[in-house]
Amino acid sequence: IAGITQAPTSQILAAGRRMTLRCTQDMRHNAMYWYRQDLGLGLRLIHYSNTAGTTGKGEVPDGYSVSRANTDDFPLTLASAVPSQTSVYFCASSVTGSEVSVGEQFFGPGTRLTVL
Amino acid sequence: RKEVEQDPGPFNVPEGATVAFNCTYSNSASQSFFWYRQDCRKEPKLLMSVYSSGNEDGRFTAQLNRASQYISLLIRDSKLSDSATYLCVVPLPFKAAGNKLTFGGGTRVLVKP
Repeated sequence: IAGITQAPTSQILAAGRRMTLRCTQDMRHNAMYWYRQDLGLGLRLIHYSNTAGTTGKGEVPDGYSVSRANTDDFPLTLASAVPSQTSVYFCASSVTGSEVSVGEQFFGPGTRLTVL
Repeated sequence: RKEVEQDPGPFNVPEGATVAFNCTYSNSASQSFFWYRQDCRKEPKLLMSVYSSGNEDGRFTAQLNRASQYISLLIRDSKLSDSATYLCVVPLPFKAAGNKLTFGGGTRVLVKP
């Protein structure tokens, strides 16, 4: 693994189904983030984690949950998918400790999710 | 007023020309600023950071105007490969908001032969 990876690359999901998007990084970054990107709305933070064992809510957390059992992995779960969750999902990571390091985030390649 | 605002463009630029565009921000307490580049259907990638009045990296120059609360990005000698969407990113004040960024909607640049 080099950097940050996401799986799956894309997924079509029936409404009401449960789905977990995977994210793994090998840079030993403390902080990890989940964003969704929608046309006309830009990137919006869903959840974040400053360090293993802690998580926090971002701008649009409803309908999503996360866990951070270790430094490398930060899965995002949709408990019961709805069509409005159709989006491109990006995972990112950064070193923590200052405003500067927070701004320097490394993004995964994204997961394109379609909820029908 | 949005926290971070950008002209969505597109800016149509002849190859070899110079293009510049701005990003305005609302939080006067912000101390650092970033430009990311995003190619179509790809992830954002860090292009430049701006901590003081400005920063230059090859053909790219970023400038900060704290009085008017905007940052700019200038691309000289534009290449076809510069075609992308440029995202302005402003961290929320760290002590208040921790590790959170505010992203602008992006400015699309199209460099044409």
